[in-house]
Amino acid sequence: KAGVTQTPRYLIKTRGQQVTLSCSPISGHRSVSWYQQTPGQGLQFLFEYFSETQRNKGNFPGRFSGRQFSNSRSEMNVSTLELGDSALYLCASSLVRKKGSNYGYTFGSGTRLTVV
Amino acid sequence: GDSVTQMEGPVTLSEEAFLTINCTYTATGYPSLFWYVQYPGEGLQLLLKATKADDKGSNKGFEATYRKETTSFHLEKGSVQVSDSAVYFCALGAQGGSEKLVFGKGTKLTVNP
Repeated sequence: KAGVTQTPRYLIKTRGQQVTLSCSPISGHRSVSWYQQTPGQGLQFLFEYFSETQRNKGNFPGRFSGRQFSNSRSEMNVSTLELGDSALYLCASSLVRKKGSNYGYTFGSGTRLTVV
Repeated sequence: GDSVTQMEGPVTLSEEAFLTINCTYTATGYPSLFWYVQYPGEGLQLLLKATKADDKGSNKGFEATYRKETTSFHLEKGSVQVSDSAVYFCALGAQGGSEKLVFGKGTKLTVNP
């Protein structure tokens, strides 16, 4: 059974550029979330999508956006990159059987973004 | 808002030692509780979980019990191995239809042979 796939694994961008990261969830998982991991702030929630709808958004500026497609694949975009956006971006998917349940996430290996 | 506090690391143990990593949480209602593990250069792996009070999650020799009265979910293992060296994260699952996770800061464990 394939896990959560994130592409690319590594990315180097210049300040001011924009970047798109991709995530393919486990087959059958309709809930996808994104997290930013940095040494200083730890793991911070970015967004959560379920059936193409954003259900929850973390406390990040509007430069961070995301979307989910009908096949549950998800992308996140960061515009006007800043040095502080350098981080490991983790995507995770979950099997949601009923509202209010939480079965835990399966995480991908992440995309390591470096902004120079 | 919801929050998770776990013991600061790093923790260094010898092989076969007993491990405890403390985790306490603040949340309304009855969140689900998780322990995740992150090996170098990798994403997070779900280690164990508990969804209601007094539940015990267990996996690969690790255990944690959901204690509502003390709002705790401490991770324990009776005999650690070098291969257990990793960063461990305690997390709670938000409620109300959301799958959002709130994580602790993580505890780095190093096990020496």
